[in-house]
Amino acid sequence: SQKIEQNSEALNIQEGKTATLTCNYTNYSPAYLQWYRQDPGRGPVFLLLIRENEKEKRKERLKVTFDTTLKQSLFHITASQPADSATYLCALGRGGNKLVFGAGTILRVKS
Amino acid sequence: EAQVTQNPRYLITVTGKKLTVTCSQNMNHEYMSWYRQDPGLGLRQIYYSMNVEVTDKGDVPEGYKVSRKEKRNFPLILESPSPNQTSLYFCASSLRVAGSYNEQFFGPGTRLTVL
Repeated sequence: SQKIEQNSEALNIQEGKTATLTCNYTNYSPAYLQWYRQDPGRGPVFLLLIRENEKEKRKERLKVTFDTTLKQSLFHITASQPADSATYLCALGRGGNKLVFGAGTILRVKS
Repeated sequence: EAQVTQNPRYLITVTGKKLTVTCSQNMNHEYMSWYRQDPGLGLRQIYYSMNVEVTDKGDVPEGYKVSRKEKRNFPLILESPSPNQTSLYFCASSLRVAGSYNEQFFGPGTRLTVL
């Protein structure tokens, strides 16, 4: 069955550094991938979308890569800030609106 | 303000007592969905709806019912709740545009405890 893996351990980094989160998948051929941010006690909020024919997407301090050969997406936050501390979810889709979510990675940025 | 609302936000109930969690969106979205979120398992889809009167099972539909009588509302019904349905529930909505991969807008969540 399809499986999506994100770092199960929290990622702790120093303010100003680049945070890199990974999303690996198996038994799945997504047409696109989305990243969401979730703060404690709140619903996920959409950040970025990348299609299978795109290698990289950027939005301000955020960058996403998508390697369909490696079956992996990397999510980067440059010049990280304590306000970036949250759980980040990757979600894969093949078509239509159905998404399959990973369990998320907790990011903690320390000042 | 564009938003998805859920009620109640918190609910403690007992096994077997029927309950309904309401979900409403004001963005005129065709697609609506219910998820449950459990530690280490991520968001799992319960049911979804592509439009009014069109609903279908997600990955974990057992023990749940839904209806979509109006475009804006998508209630989740637990006819006979059991402790294994204790979870954090999210409603989400998005546009349905052919060939497009639209972001989903999530509600604030409903924390349900079944004793």
